[in-house]
Amino acid sequence: NAGVTQTPKFQVLKTGQSMTLQCAQDMNHEYMSWYRQDPGMGLRLIHYSVGAGITDQGEVPNGYNVSRSTTEDFPLRLLSAAPSQTSVYFCASSYSVPGQGYEQYFGPGTRLTVT
Amino acid sequence: EDQVTQSPEALRLQEGESSSLNCSYTVSGLRGLFWYRQDPGKGPEFLFTLYSAGEEKEKERLKATLTKKESFLHITAPKPEDSATYLCAVQEKAGNMLTFGGGTRLMVKP
Repeated sequence: NAGVTQTPKFQVLKTGQSMTLQCAQDMNHEYMSWYRQDPGMGLRLIHYSVGAGITDQGEVPNGYNVSRSTTEDFPLRLLSAAPSQTSVYFCASSYSVPGQGYEQYFGPGTRLTVT
Repeated sequence: EDQVTQSPEALRLQEGESSSLNCSYTVSGLRGLFWYRQDPGKGPEFLFTLYSAGEEKEKERLKATLTKKESFLHITAPKPEDSATYLCAVQEKAGNMLTFGGGTRLMVKP
């Protein structure tokens, strides 16, 4: 298993450009999430999905779109990049433990700089 | 609103010097508390999930415990390779989201 993969590893955008961060998992996990990690702010949830065709907003969704057409893929789209979106982005996938919580596995991250 | 506070922010230990990291949380009904290890430039690596007060889990030199208000990550006789940032997160029963703490940066010197 490759686990959770993310592309690209690094990206530089100019303000106003759009792009898509790719995320894929090969573990057949039902849940997938996108987080951003900023110094002093910890990991914050952007969007998540509980299955193909179902997405919901997290703590910081503004400026980002997601869709989940397959179980494996969960791309994150930046519509019009802003310097405030400079961050490290992590995708995660999870499976539920019946009656309890779930176990979550993270990808290696995408480091995005918006100038 | 769920809150997670980790302390200390940074911890320096000598190799072999045991210590504990703290994760205090406020949540309206805990579904699970999660511990992760994160190395520089990498994604968080899953360590443990704890579900109820009194539960303990161990992995090599790490032992996680849970009470109704906090969790501890005990590190016994740490080695330099244990140096990393340790993250704690909670999930409430009513939702699917995880709320993360700010992390504890652990440095173990030989």
